[in-house]
Amino acid sequence: RKEVEQDPGPFNVPEGATVAFNCTYSNSASQSFFWYRQDCRKEPKLLMSVYSSGNEDGRFTAQLNRASQYISLLIRDSKLSDSATYLCVVNGADSWGKLQFGAGTQVVVTP
Amino acid sequence: DAGITQSPRYKITETGRQVTLMCHQTWSHSYMFWYRQDLGHGLRLIYYSAAADITDKGEVPDGYVVSRSKTENFPLTLESATRSQTSVYFCASRVGGLGQTQYFGPGTRLLVL
Repeated sequence: RKEVEQDPGPFNVPEGATVAFNCTYSNSASQSFFWYRQDCRKEPKLLMSVYSSGNEDGRFTAQLNRASQYISLLIRDSKLSDSATYLCVVNGADSWGKLQFGAGTQVVVTP
Repeated sequence: DAGITQSPRYKITETGRQVTLMCHQTWSHSYMFWYRQDLGHGLRLIYYSAAADITDKGEVPDGYVVSRSKTENFPLTLESATRSQTSVYFCASRVGGLGQTQYFGPGTRLLVL
């Protein structure tokens, strides 16, 4: 079983709509959670960290459910520029905080 | 602010040849990482380093060698390239441990013929 699992998509979203997707993680001891964004096989870039109480950054909202071991990302008022692959990232079991990456969820925003 | 750079950006080589991918960061980050990314897989960790002269294996280290004599450089060497090592390679760095943002270089696209 992969340590971080994501629905690969694609999620086809009309411009202005809302889209949400989850990822699940297997290590119950994980402490740090992130969403990274990757465009067309370019380098991943941090979108936002995910905190226990949930957090927002503009049109993006992230939630963490430790009991069920999943995190979610919601994008409101989708823009064409939101088209990308979103990587779910969780720290592993070691003390160095090595990160485990999901394979990504592709989002395609259409006009 | 150069950040983190990788060279070459594109490389074509032949099976059996030695190839070195370079990674350089200007932030003096302690931690550095090498990943490979293949279709259908997430980023997979090859090697990592917590400081100069401290390196350790990641998830897929076979066929690769690293060194870190200076904090800012973390070269990755494919000792004898194989077709299965055709991939996109990303270098990353981070200032410290848990919870810190990890920054990625632009990647090296390697094709082994």
